[in-house]
Amino acid sequence: QVTLKESGPVLVKPTETLTLTCTVSGFSLSNARMGVSWIRQPPGKALEWLAHIFSNDEKSYSTSLKSRLTISKDTSKSQVVLTMTNMDPVDTATYYCARTDYGGNQRSWGQGTLVTVSS
Amino acid sequence: EIVLTQSPATLSLSPGERATLSCRASQSVSSYLAWYQQKPGQAPRLLIYDASNRATGIPARFSGSGSGTDFTLTISSLEPEDFAVYYCQQRETFGQGTKLEIK
Repeated sequence: QVTLKESGPVLVKPTETLTLTCTVSGFSLSNARMGVSWIRQPPGKALEWLAHIFSNDEKSYSTSLKSRLTISKDTSKSQVVLTMTNMDPVDTATYYCARTDYGGNQRSWGQGTLVTVSS
Repeated sequence: EIVLTQSPATLSLSPGERATLSCRASQSVSSYLAWYQQKPGQAPRLLIYDASNRATGIPARFSGSGSGTDFTLTISSLEPEDFAVYYCQQRETFGQGTKLEIK
């Protein structure tokens, strides 16, 4: 059974750096043609794709947020980490990680973690 | 960058009725389009990928069609659990969603 779980701080201050971890089970991050994406959703708003990383370490970032994002993986720990710098209140959202195929389809999702940006 | 426009924003129907949701892409995406369902307080769930393929465990009342720039998600006969928000997605882009509500 494939599961993903997000973890990280629930509250960050403006200008701080957010670090989120996605821990996966039921599949390996070295599986060919599969990867993990990060997607966020501000309260009451639509989904926004942030970044993905694949088994071959191919990475891609949202054009509008590229300068602030870094994605990495630790295959031995079954974890994918997303960092977002210079957090702002508009970054308040539920952050999801998802198992992604090479077509960009988000096959399985974590439960999400709500991150609030406030001083 | 591709823009996905979903219509209508809100669709009010009764259980048993047929639902037709639209997603239009700003440029051709071939058949690389997915649909997701999201219920309040839950993560989205993949329904349809590559425009017309049902994901594992998705009931047959859900179907997808289209190619190029125009796509449709059809729910043949609405069940009470189908009332939710539906998003289309093409790689790095999501639509703004269609809320399917009970009439």
